Amino acid sequence: AQSVTQLDSHVSVSEGTPVLLRCNYSSSYSPSLFWYVQHPNKGLQLLLKYTSAATLVKGINGFEAEFKKSETSFHLTKPSAHMSDAAEYFCVVSPPNDYKLSFGAGTTVTVRA
Amino acid sequence: DAEITQSPRHKITETGRQVTLACHQTWNHNNMFWYRQDLGHGLRLIHYSYGVQDTNKGEVSDGYSVSRSNTEDLPLTLESAASSQTSVYFCASSVGGQADTQYFGPGTRLTVL
Repeated sequence: AQSVTQLDSHVSVSEGTPVLLRCNYSSSYSPSLFWYVQHPNKGLQLLLKYTSAATLVKGINGFEAEFKKSETSFHLTKPSAHMSDAAEYFCVVSPPNDYKLSFGAGTTVTVRA
Repeated sequence: DAEITQSPRHKITETGRQVTLACHQTWNHNNMFWYRQDLGHGLRLIHYSYGVQDTNKGEVSDGYSVSRSNTEDLPLTLESAASSQTSVYFCASSVGGQADTQYFGPGTRLTVL
């Protein structure tokens, strides 16, 4: 079975400082991993995805994530937070040869001016 | 532009009533999914379909049903609404394939009194 654990339910950062959102996964096989973002009262939007092509994945809006098999982690980072980054972020796993997604519980990001 | 829409966006109903939430996509995607979002749980899969006439149960399917008579639509029916089904419901669609990206609708907020 595939699952993800988001290690922080809430992260608060100052504008212009780095953002780190932590995600660990559990998978019997080499999974596909995603980060989705949900702004208040909106649907979900794909930030980036890992497909085994490269361990460092770059996404939209300056976000990137690094797949570390030895640590079973897929942490999301951004060098400099912007007020518009305030949102809910979901780490998501999908097993090979399956289209279903399993979501983490989410991390709420607050950005202080 | 292609899109995925949900209706209604907000719905209040009473316990025991039958409710149907609509989902329509214009991407011609084979795969369609229904999730519910509850605080602390992320998104949980209710039902999914990989093509016309195909439907499958997800992890929280009790009390819900879907039907797929064409490519564009996957309506979700609550047979007899319960207060535990108060939630935000998201529909998603995808083409299919490895590391398949799902595209989400804007959501329907359902309140069961």
